[in-house]
Amino acid sequence: ETGVTQTPRHLVMGMTNKKSLKCEQHLGHNAMYWYKQSAKKPLELMFVYSLEERVENNSVPSRFSPECPNSSHLFLHLHTLQPEDSALYLCASSPSLASSNTEAFFGQGTRLTVV
Amino acid sequence: GESVGLHLPTLSVQEGDNSIINCAYSNSASDYFIWYKQESGKGPQFIIDIRSNMDKRQGQRVTVLLNKTVKHLSLQIAATQPGDSAVYFCAETISGGYQKVTFGIGTKLQVIP
Repeated sequence: ETGVTQTPRHLVMGMTNKKSLKCEQHLGHNAMYWYKQSAKKPLELMFVYSLEERVENNSVPSRFSPECPNSSHLFLHLHTLQPEDSALYLCASSPSLASSNTEAFFGQGTRLTVV
Repeated sequence: GESVGLHLPTLSVQEGDNSIINCAYSNSASDYFIWYKQESGKGPQFIIDIRSNMDKRQGQRVTVLLNKTVKHLSLQIAATQPGDSAVYFCAETISGGYQKVTFGIGTKLQVIP
């Protein structure tokens, strides 16, 4: 148990569906992140939030829409996804943005399958 | 672009033997390196880290070696156990402030009982 909880653990959705991934951290951290992990590819950073403000968007398609209502919760809203978006989506948090590369804690991920 | 890679995608070792997982990095400015373990169905978990002012760092049953000359990093696991079966990947970054982390692809370690 890392203190970062993601729901759902598994999600199957059609290309016309709208769904949301949820991440919650109980660590009192101020920075949260979304990563995409595809088979045989390195972890890809998607979005970075610090104190509820988005500080980075790594050229992610607009069909992925993040939301950070407070420092403990992070959402990833999905709509009109493509089959190639199927992957493990990981949420992480760190005490601050400055400690993002040394003290990041990951959730267990949501396994997304787009059909 | 800058990248972090691993030499072996899959490594099978007998229980009780030592495991060595290798990683090459390309950014000579990187000064902080991390090894993660990712078990099936779980997120990455920090194992051990090393800064560029060190060549070796030891943890519990794990040792990380850093060779800056050839930009090579290795993770050694002593007396490998079935619970060590997982994907291991390295990451490189620059310490101090907000810096991007570059992750490797991962090596799957299979422990044979």
